[in-house]
Amino acid sequence: DTGVSQDPRHKITKRGQNVTFRCDPISEHNRLYWYRQTLGQGPEFLTYFQNEAQLEKSRLLSDRFSAERPKGSFSTLEIQRTEQGDSAMYLCASSHRGQAYGYTFGSGTRLTVV
Amino acid sequence: DQQVKQNSPSLSVQEGRISILNCDYTNSMFDYFLWYKKYPAEGPTFLISISSIKDKNEDGRFTVFLNKSAKHLSLHIVPSQPGDSAVYFCAGAGGTSYGKLTFGQGTILTVHP
Repeated sequence: DTGVSQDPRHKITKRGQNVTFRCDPISEHNRLYWYRQTLGQGPEFLTYFQNEAQLEKSRLLSDRFSAERPKGSFSTLEIQRTEQGDSAMYLCASSHRGQAYGYTFGSGTRLTVV
Repeated sequence: DQQVKQNSPSLSVQEGRISILNCDYTNSMFDYFLWYKKYPAEGPTFLISISSIKDKNEDGRFTVFLNKSAKHLSLHIVPSQPGDSAVYFCAGAGGTSYGKLTFGQGTILTVHP
């Protein structure tokens, strides 16, 4: 097991374009989380899945953001009509049912909107 | 609304000495606290945690102390090593948002040889 995998590692896009990121969690983990981190700040919660069900979404997740986890395996995070304020590191994490909060993060996808 | 605050952006310590990183929180619903460590170009790595029913948890060189009345926790690293140089985040969890962590802004720890 290679841990939580995120793709791509870096993405540069023009304002107004759509982008999609992928996260592959640790295989036996049924919980998956998305966080966003901007410079000088800690990670901010975006959304959380248990298996394929999206159980919680942050107010930060505007209607331009959508996340899916089909079949309870990998997850995708899509941002439509990107804005410069969307530039950040997008982190995915996973945990198994009995692990509570000490989950495992991936290395993140750094998004730059120009 | 910054529910978790790390008021020291950076800390510099000599190798072998104690590092003390501090964290304050405002949300009384938090019942679990964690510390994560982050190296550049990597995701945060879980370090140590503490439940609100305890006031101390120790794991090797790392000890976390919780003072619920003051809504304050601290991470002690003894002895500090150059490999401990990283950004440290504290996080709170609990209440109605199961699974969600609320992070502080982080403290950059530099351990000098």
